Amino acid sequence: QKEVEQDPGPLSVPEGAIVSLNCTYSNSAFQYFMWYRQYSRKGPELLMYTYSSGNKEDGRFTAQVDKSSKYISLFIRDSQPSDSATYLCAMDDDKIIFGKGTRLHILP
Amino acid sequence: DSGVTQTPKHLITATGQRVTLRCSPRSGDLSVYWYQQSLDQGLQFLIQYYNGEERAKGNILERFSAQQFPDLHSELNLSSLELGDSALYFCASSVGMGAPPGGAQFFGPGTRLTVL
Repeated sequence: QKEVEQDPGPLSVPEGAIVSLNCTYSNSAFQYFMWYRQYSRKGPELLMYTYSSGNKEDGRFTAQVDKSSKYISLFIRDSQPSDSATYLCAMDDDKIIFGKGTRLHILP
Repeated sequence: DSGVTQTPKHLITATGQRVTLRCSPRSGDLSVYWYQQSLDQGLQFLIQYYNGEERAKGNILERFSAQQFPDLHSELNLSSLELGDSALYFCASSVGMGAPPGGAQFFGPGTRLTVL
């Protein structure tokens, strides 16, 4: 079993919809959890990070962590075509492990 | 623009050759990280330096080596190249180490390596 599992997609949703992106993990030692966004031909950029179980909100983005289920989610509200990108989850105990990323397409 | 620069943007070379990738971190960042991204493996951590010293190693092959210089720029050396080394190589930097916010990593635009 891989340490971090993420559905590669692609996921296509209409503009304005709520998007849900998810990752599962197997290592209970992971201390903090991150979401990166990567546009085509660009480097990843850090969107959000959180340490504990629960929700963290930043504008249209909400990160959710459920440590008991080893499951993390990123919700995007009022999705925009500019949100079309690959979203990578990442988690860390002493080094960062990335999911393979989910390709998201927001359809105008 | 993250403030991290990488050169060259593209590199095409032959099997068995050696190449050097260069990274300049954001101003003030002491940590530099190297990653390899391929379609099948995703983004894989290779190695981290902090203020000139190696701090963590990931899945870095013995044919690969890196260093961080006194001016904090870093180089990743790839030798005896194989077809499977074709990938995007990213450098990232952070102010400190460990968790965000101090350890939040800012990625450069990457170097695309093609081995023929």
